[in-house]
Amino acid sequence: NAGVTQTPKFRVLKTGQSMTLLCAQDMNHEYMYWYRQDPGMGLRLIHYSVGEGTTAKGEVPDGYNVSRLKKQNFLLGLESAAPSQTSVYFCASRPQRTADHFTRTEAFFGQGTRLTVV
Amino acid sequence: AQSVTQLDSHVSVSEGTPVLLRCNYSSSYSPSLFWYVQHPNKGLQLLLKYTSAATLVKGINGFEAEFKKSETSFHLTKPSAHMSDAAEYFCVVSAFKAAGNKLTFGGGTRVLVKP
Repeated sequence: NAGVTQTPKFRVLKTGQSMTLLCAQDMNHEYMYWYRQDPGMGLRLIHYSVGEGTTAKGEVPDGYNVSRLKKQNFLLGLESAAPSQTSVYFCASRPQRTADHFTRTEAFFGQGTRLTVV
Repeated sequence: AQSVTQLDSHVSVSEGTPVLLRCNYSSSYSPSLFWYVQHPNKGLQLLLKYTSAATLVKGINGFEAEFKKSETSFHLTKPSAHMSDAAEYFCVVSAFKAAGNKLTFGGGTRVLVKP
């Protein structure tokens, strides 16, 4: 079982460059999330999606865009990278069953993408 | 609104001694609570979860946590630390009707296990 797969695992960008991070899940989950992890701050939500074709902003959306054209894929884009976006990025997915049941299900995480912007 | 506070950013224990990681939460709705572990340069793995059944929850690798509504706490414990427990631990809250049913993370507690 692949679960949640993130591509690439490592990347170094120069300030102003653009890139796209890909997240793919094979569990037919409705909800997908992009988080960033910075020391001492836990994981903070960037954007999320509640289904194919829908996206919404999280806590720290500035400088990022996302798309969910297919249910299994969730893309995170950086149009003009800045050093402040140096971080480890995690994608997660979560199943949607009944509304009450949903809150009891855990999220499944990818292995992370370590991005450095110089 | 929901939030999580992990009261210790670092915890150091000797191998074979008990581990206690403290977590307090805030939620406008009846929450579900999770503990995740992250080993160095790895992804996040679920340790255990509370979903309004038993208040004492047992997880993997000998960990357990107790949900105390009156104290809004969900502390993680293990009776005897092992070297392999050295990792970062995250307390997470999720509540129905939270926007996007998102998971909100605490700041993390890094555990060091001394031989």
